Amino acid sequence: DAGVIQSPRHEVTEMGQEVTLRCKPISGHDYLFWYRQTMMRGLELLIYFNNNVPIDDSGMPEDRFSAKMPNASFSTLKIQPSEPRDSAVYFCASSHYPVGGHWNTEAFFGQGTRLTVV
Amino acid sequence: TQLLEQSPQFLSIQEGENLTVYCNSSSVFSSLQWYRQEPGEGPVLLVTVVTGGEVKKLKRLTFQFGDARKDSSLHITAAQTGDTGLYLCAGNNDMRFGAGTRLTVKP
Repeated sequence: DAGVIQSPRHEVTEMGQEVTLRCKPISGHDYLFWYRQTMMRGLELLIYFNNNVPIDDSGMPEDRFSAKMPNASFSTLKIQPSEPRDSAVYFCASSHYPVGGHWNTEAFFGQGTRLTVV
Repeated sequence: TQLLEQSPQFLSIQEGENLTVYCNSSSVFSSLQWYRQEPGEGPVLLVTVVTGGEVKKLKRLTFQFGDARKDSSLHITAAQTGDTGLYLCAGNNDMRFGAGTRLTVKP
C-alpha cells in the first residue's frame, strides 16, 4: 500500500476563496482523522470518521470548515471562505480499529497539505 | 477532552548527551503513544505503552508509562543528530496530541 495520500501538497489561495483538501486513507482502515498543525496551536484534531461516518467534529473551528467521507477510500476537508488565519499544515491519518475496543493501534499519517491563505 | 502537556517545549543539546522529555495529564489513559515528526513529514509512531509502570526500549530510546497511567517519559541515551525532530505524545482514548517537544541535536 502507498500509505495515506494527501493532495495537494501545497496550496496557496486568496482570502475568501474555497479550498478543498483531499485524502485517500490506507485500504482497509476503519478510522480517518483530520488534523491541523501550526506552531502556535500544535497538532489539533479537527474531526474523525468511523466507517465513513463522522464521530467527533468538536475540533472543527467554525462553520467555514466542513469534512466529508463519501466512501471508504476518499475524504475531503473544505474551507469556505478561507481566511489568512487558516494557514497551516493539514494532515490526514488513518488507522484500523482493533477488535477489543481499544485505541491501541497505529495512526498512519499522510505527508500533509501546506495551506497558505494570502 | 483529555489534555496532554509536554515538556520541555524546546530542547537543544549536543550530540552524545542524554535527555528526557515528559508527557503529563490529569486524566488516566488506557494507553499512550509516542510519535516523532521530521520536517515536511507526518508523525510516525515510535511506541505504544499500555500497562502502568511499563518500560519499553527502542534502541537508545526508553519509554516509561507512569504507574497511574497519567504520564509518560521518553529518555534518549547518547543523542544523535538523526534524533532531531518533534516528539509528540497522544492519549489513545481520543487520539489527541500534546503540543510536542521540539528536539535539536547539534553535531
